[in-house]
Amino acid sequence: DAKTTQPPSMDCAEGRAANLPCNHSTISGNEYVYWYRQIHSQGPQYIIHGLKNNETNEMASLIITEDRKSSTLILPHATLRDTAVYYCIVRVTTSGTYKYIFGTGTRLKVLA
Amino acid sequence: DSGVTQTPKHLITATGQRVTLRCSPRSGDLSVYWYQQSLDQGLQFLIQYYNGEERAKGNILERFSAQQFPDLHSELNLSSLELGDSALYFCASSVDNSFPFFGPGTRLTVL
Repeated sequence: DAKTTQPPSMDCAEGRAANLPCNHSTISGNEYVYWYRQIHSQGPQYIIHGLKNNETNEMASLIITEDRKSSTLILPHATLRDTAVYYCIVRVTTSGTYKYIFGTGTRLKVLA
Repeated sequence: DSGVTQTPKHLITATGQRVTLRCSPRSGDLSVYWYQQSLDQGLQFLIQYYNGEERAKGNILERFSAQQFPDLHSELNLSSLELGDSALYFCASSVDNSFPFFGPGTRLTVL
């Protein structure tokens, strides 16, 4: 089962920052948080990941709270092409193997 | 383009039939994952292979099986198909335990 909880949907105005929250209160100390997005029915696309420090790349920023029980994905200047379902995933370790278990995600709609 | 290829793109078949979905991972990737995405269940992890060996199992039905071949491509076999098996099937690949890259998927319709 997924270890994350996300709001089912959000709207964001084009050009504004989109802040997508995720709760992962049962996360273990060595488990990473990953974010993917899925546009229409395409294959999910990797966005960013982190363990406990904030991370930034060309697509987004990831802010993880100090207690690691929640995180926020930030798209700094959302465009219409960012309309997608965003998945927050905790990478689970089982018998030395990593599993990426997707939850239900947040459907982000960027409005013109 | 993630570099992961899946064939066919679309597949329409009848209940009770058997189909094979094919996945070619990115060059150099040893791990292959299979996921099922149906309308009412989201993305479900099915199974993972690493360099030809099964590494992890998820919610994969007994009617389904997979394998990874020496050239690292993988096949997902679905048999005794039911209407509820209609879904998008995604393959993903990764280097060791790094984050996976997903393919474009195969849309299976069971009539």
